[in-house]
Amino acid sequence: GAVVSQHPSRVICKSGTSVKIECRSLDFQATTMFWYRQFPKKSLMLMATSNEGSKATYEQGVEKDKFLINHASLTLSTLTVTSAHPEDSSFYICSARALAGTYNEQFFGPGTRLTVL
Amino acid sequence: GENVEQHPSTLSVQEGDSAVIKCTYSDSASNYFPWYKQELGKGPQLIIDIRSNVGEKKDQRIAVTLNKTAKHFSLHITETQPEDSAVYFCAASNGAAGNKLTFGGGTRVLVKP
Repeated sequence: GAVVSQHPSRVICKSGTSVKIECRSLDFQATTMFWYRQFPKKSLMLMATSNEGSKATYEQGVEKDKFLINHASLTLSTLTVTSAHPEDSSFYICSARALAGTYNEQFFGPGTRLTVL
Repeated sequence: GENVEQHPSTLSVQEGDSAVIKCTYSDSASNYFPWYKQELGKGPQLIIDIRSNVGEKKDQRIAVTLNKTAKHFSLHITETQPEDSAVYFCAASNGAAGNKLTFGGGTRVLVKP
């Protein structure tokens, strides 16, 4: 149980285009999903917290107009990198927190590697 | 906000030996401490976690200890195997603060056969 998927796993795009990444909880409902960014050999940096049916909460320094987040259902959140530039190239990872119970566990997706040319 | 420090940054052990990774945290309100294993090109995988009302937890070859007074927690891997080679991250979160995880810097573990 507790499987989180991401799509696509890898994407290469031209500078100036927009890229959408999907995060799905496959076997549980998630009221909250988190989006992280990870640079090579670095730790995970939280970008935003996505709550189903409400606006995402962004961490300091993360441009909300640059990284659009939509959490339309209890099993799906999307991250759109708008007008991508080479500096946006990174490994993007989502996680989902289960609706039921009082536990805090977050289950992570496999990540999406974005390369902007 | 929370700050999590993790040591060492790299750890090389001989197969069969034990590996210990230590983390400290700053926010005394943190109450949940998970450990993740990340293999190259993949997302982090939860391997064990501990809550603030428990001092120790064990799952086969993996154990975690928590010292709330000192605000530090440790991961212990016994009888290491080559497949244990990966990057390990500790994290801390406060349920009252939206369950956001603050990660340590990671430890790259290499188990030599």
